[in-house]
Amino acid sequence: DAKTTQPPSMDCAEGRAANLPCNHSTISGNEYVYWYRQIHSQGPQYIIHGLKNNETNEMASLIITEDRKSSTLILPHATLRDTAVYYCIVRGYLSGGYNKLIFGAGTRLAVHP
Amino acid sequence: DTEVTQTPKHLVMGMTNKKSLKCEQHMGHRAMYWYKQKAKKPPELMFVYSYEKLSINESVPSRFSPECPNSSLLNLHLHALQPEDSALYLCASSQDLWGYYEQYFGPGTRLTVT
Repeated sequence: DAKTTQPPSMDCAEGRAANLPCNHSTISGNEYVYWYRQIHSQGPQYIIHGLKNNETNEMASLIITEDRKSSTLILPHATLRDTAVYYCIVRGYLSGGYNKLIFGAGTRLAVHP
Repeated sequence: DTEVTQTPKHLVMGMTNKKSLKCEQHMGHRAMYWYKQKAKKPPELMFVYSYEKLSINESVPSRFSPECPNSSLLNLHLHALQPEDSALYLCASSQDLWGYYEQYFGPGTRLTVT
């Protein structure tokens, strides 16, 4: 039951910005958007998350549209080490009020020299 | 220390074997998770522990038996598995269960059932 839609693959030249889009048109008002990435044969790694406002940290920036139906993860200066599968995730709900991460298929980003 | 460790890295077991996967974190996180990831698929949640108690079982078959002996350790006991259970098993931890804090993942145990 993935709640997000991402392109299956993207390419980016090393040193350029990588802009990864995500559609989450059914997002509800109190659901956060999370981004994780998974480098080959490793566990997923948290990148950033946001609710309404744009967010920036040392790894990336997250731009969320005003209607919150889509977002873009920006890696400002991609390196070869950024080659990974990038997951855009909207929190789902478990019984008891707990939240869970629902991973979609993700975008396979290939950064090339 | 923001590391989640998992042992072993690789495990091959027969369908009649009993084995265990181990996960450890020393971040003081009170929520711990097991995920299963089949090849070329995203991770899927299996179990959630909160304060060492099983909070969520996502309808996982009983041949997978989780255990949380203390706040730093999480085990997954395996018995009578099927070849289709071959996958990468990921452990994660977080400060809370409500999703305000990120989950930290271990590198996973790659399990092959023969």
